[in-house]
Amino acid sequence: NAGVTQTPKFQVLKTGQSMTLQCAQDMNHNSMYWYRQDPGMGLRLIYYSASEGTTDKGEVPNGYNVSRLNKREFSLRLESAAPSQTSVYFCASRTAGAHYEQYFGPGTRLTVT
Amino acid sequence: GEDVEQSLFLSVREGDSSVINCTYTDSSSTYLYWYKQEPGAGLQLLTYIFSNMDMKQDQRLTVLLNKKDKHLSLRIADTQTGDSAIYFCAETSGAGNNRKLIWGLGTSLAVNP
Repeated sequence: NAGVTQTPKFQVLKTGQSMTLQCAQDMNHNSMYWYRQDPGMGLRLIYYSASEGTTDKGEVPNGYNVSRLNKREFSLRLESAAPSQTSVYFCASRTAGAHYEQYFGPGTRLTVT
Repeated sequence: GEDVEQSLFLSVREGDSSVINCTYTDSSSTYLYWYKQEPGAGLQLLTYIFSNMDMKQDQRLTVLLNKKDKHLSLRIADTQTGDSAIYFCAETSGAGNNRKLIWGLGTSLAVNP
């Protein structure tokens, strides 16, 4: 049981390049999330998927797209990377029910130059 | 809108107690959470409290909830250097599949030997 896995762990992009961050969970969770974490800004929700087949915008969706490929996988795409997207990106999934425990992946450290 | 506030830094000596405070705004939150983030890692659930409770104790951790003042605190007894991390307070917001966590900015705890 690996929990939530993310690839890659590190990435450097040039402005204007595109890339996809991959996330997978093996806990049979319905809901999955993408966050970015920046110094002094805490965690900000980019997109989430409440269940397979649905995605919704979070607090800071501009410049990103997501795909909920199946119940296990939720990817985040940067179509044209900008320096403002330099951040640490975390994927998370959560248990069903009232208790709202989120399980986080180890993060992807992205630098856009 | 919903907001969660916490102080950004706390420094304690090894063996002392640490108290991390948090205020939140959504009085309908059913659960409140404390997550821990160690350097270079994702967040992990540390403990949580249901909104109809005043206190929860779990080994060295004590969570106190004052619903009237919308104030949550986390006390770590006998703080160790391994407790050095960022601690995030979070409240639940929304309903059903669209329930989300609202995060504080995190309190960075430094434990000095």
